[in-house]
Amino acid sequence: DGGITQSPKYLFRKEGQNVTLSCEQNLNHDAMYWYRQDPGQGLRLIYYSQIVNDFQKGDIAEGYSVSREKKESFPLTVTSAQKNPTAFYLCASSPRGTSGGARDTQYFGPGTRLTVL
Amino acid sequence: AQSVAQPEDQVNVAEGNPLTVKCTYSVSGNPYLFWYVQYPNRGLQFLLKYITGDNLVKGSYGFEAEFNKSQTSFHLKKPSALVSDSALYFCAVRDAGANNLFFGTGTRLTVIP
Repeated sequence: DGGITQSPKYLFRKEGQNVTLSCEQNLNHDAMYWYRQDPGQGLRLIYYSQIVNDFQKGDIAEGYSVSREKKESFPLTVTSAQKNPTAFYLCASSPRGTSGGARDTQYFGPGTRLTVL
Repeated sequence: AQSVAQPEDQVNVAEGNPLTVKCTYSVSGNPYLFWYVQYPNRGLQFLLKYITGDNLVKGSYGFEAEFNKSQTSFHLKKPSALVSDSALYFCAVRDAGANNLFFGTGTRLTVIP
């Protein structure tokens, strides 16, 4: 899991609540990513950020929001608009967002398991 | 468009036997290919990647993978399986011009003692 931390490890949300998942990295990586993992579906990209103060929607961004105010931090908010938020959420980072960054390995945090009650 | 297929949801192999986990891909340009392993309730751990050069790539824990351009495949292999290799394995592809990785649905490997 390297130098990427995610908190909390387990999170329970009531219907209609917004919750924020934390992701921090001390690897000095430019790029950061949020994925959602559901059984049998692999990983799907929610949002990614190639540089501070910039982020882009992934394949399933609806109902989620992010910010990238610091290089080391990329929090994900799961809003009440996300109709089926129960899943395992994984944060990742890679050294470069652009200029050859496609070759870089993405390194993953330990994940946060979100359950809606 | 990018896509990855892992045709086997489950692979069972006896301890000490060779193992293969299959992956085929589709990209419009040159592919960058990755293998990751996931243990229960953990994040993904990087095993190996192919960017360019030698088609046989060696990675962590004795794993290797062979890039086959004509068959658009990148199968993961290990000569002798260990019980501790039992886990969920993901293949991922990235087109050289794309912004993100695209993952397969995963293959659960079980090594039987």
